[in-house]
Amino acid sequence: EIVLTQSPGTLSLSPGERATLSCRSSQSISSGYLAWYQQKPGQAPRLLIYGTSNRATGTPDRFRGIGSGTDFTLTISRLEPEDFAVYYCQQYSTSPFTFGPGTTVDFK
Amino acid sequence: DVRLLESGGGLIQPGGSLRVSCAASGFTFSSYAMSWVRQAPGKGLEWVSSITGSGDDTYYADSVKGRFTISRDNSKNTVSLQMNSLKVEDTALYYCAKMPRYGSNGYRHYFDSWGQGTLVTVSA
Repeated sequence: EIVLTQSPGTLSLSPGERATLSCRSSQSISSGYLAWYQQKPGQAPRLLIYGTSNRATGTPDRFRGIGSGTDFTLTISRLEPEDFAVYYCQQYSTSPFTFGPGTTVDFK
Repeated sequence: DVRLLESGGGLIQPGGSLRVSCAASGFTFSSYAMSWVRQAPGKGLEWVSSITGSGDDTYYADSVKGRFTISRDNSKNTVSLQMNSLKVEDTALYYCAKMPRYGSNGYRHYFDSWGQGTLVTVSA
């Protein structure tokens, strides 16, 4: 099973600041099959990024995904108030299709 | 617009059975693979099971293999999860999720649309 580790666990920032979220894999993720989701309290997750760097429909361009192999990053260039949420990475290279534990982006 | 509406959750005793279902609309249901993803209270996300558009192929997490069965009825645009031998650790919000197509017949195991979930509580 591929284990995903996300860091930091919590990121405390202010609107307008840059957020950098890390997702590391226990094995290389082939073909960049990594996705990112955003989840707000009481809501279902929402797909942000797939294939490491492709923005899903409706994802603002302030969200950028990069990475390869075992190291992946989601950056939010300038935080908007609606971006404060929990972010999960997920690999879909190998079954079981695992998620990371999440990074919470909260208000400083 | 894609809409996924789960139902069937509830309180069940350990060892019991429950069936949750998801009604889909807004897309050609039979053309898309579907999944169930769960989230224990206050915890992260866990993929549970997937089924191809035709229903010919199914996939399960080890934690539920042999106890859960995923199925679909393309005439009714529904996907279901039959859960048997339920354990306390199966307590979670169960989300129905749509998987994107890849090419003419393929799919990718990430989730581009989600329902709001149905809560399953396993407790004595």
